[in-house]
Amino acid sequence: DAGITQSPRHKVTETGTPVTLRCHQTENHRYMYWYRQDPGHGLRLIHYSYGVKDTDKGEVSDGYSVSRSKTEDFLLTLESATSSQTSVYFCAISLGQGTFDTQYFGPGTRLTVL
Amino acid sequence: GNSVTQMEGPVTLSEEAFLTINCTYTATGYPSLFWYVQYPGEGLQLLLKATKADDKGSNKGFEATYRKETTSFHLEKGSVQVSDSAVYFCALSDSGGSNYKLTFGKGTLLTVNP
Repeated sequence: DAGITQSPRHKVTETGTPVTLRCHQTENHRYMYWYRQDPGHGLRLIHYSYGVKDTDKGEVSDGYSVSRSKTEDFLLTLESATSSQTSVYFCAISLGQGTFDTQYFGPGTRLTVL
Repeated sequence: GNSVTQMEGPVTLSEEAFLTINCTYTATGYPSLFWYVQYPGEGLQLLLKATKADDKGSNKGFEATYRKETTSFHLEKGSVQVSDSAVYFCALSDSGGSNYKLTFGKGTLLTVNP
């Protein structure tokens, strides 16, 4: 257990509304990631962070922004949600430090955009 | 760029049957290779990993060998149980300055019947 929590776990929202998902970790890991999981696509990286205020885009970053103002929290924001952003969102952390590229995942947030 | 191709599912087996899920990859550098498992309603859990050619990862009766010559990392288990029913993801990480990002395959759904 890497001490990762995500909130909310489920959310239903309407098209055009802003949505923020939170990932919280308790062990001061440097690297954090946001993925989305969709049938037929596996997991795709949205954004990642390699330190406080250090973030970069993944392969499906359009329509998403992130922030990391402290080590333990990594926020994913949908500025104006669309139905194509209906998905399950997973946060992950990496132990980094050369051991390791192994990532550990949170329980996920199921987001439905109507 | 990096990519992972794993066999399409779903795969349906009877209890105690032999399991193989094929995974091949394309990568620059020398990736680490992973199998993750996702049980219904949960996040991904690391099942096993291998960090260099000819390494064998193993856990819970599952095995996979890193084959550089065939760029493959097939998952095997000699005798599956109903409790192995889950989605299995093959993934790679090219840790050469890539912030430990993972590239995932699309996942293979395994159902084991009693």
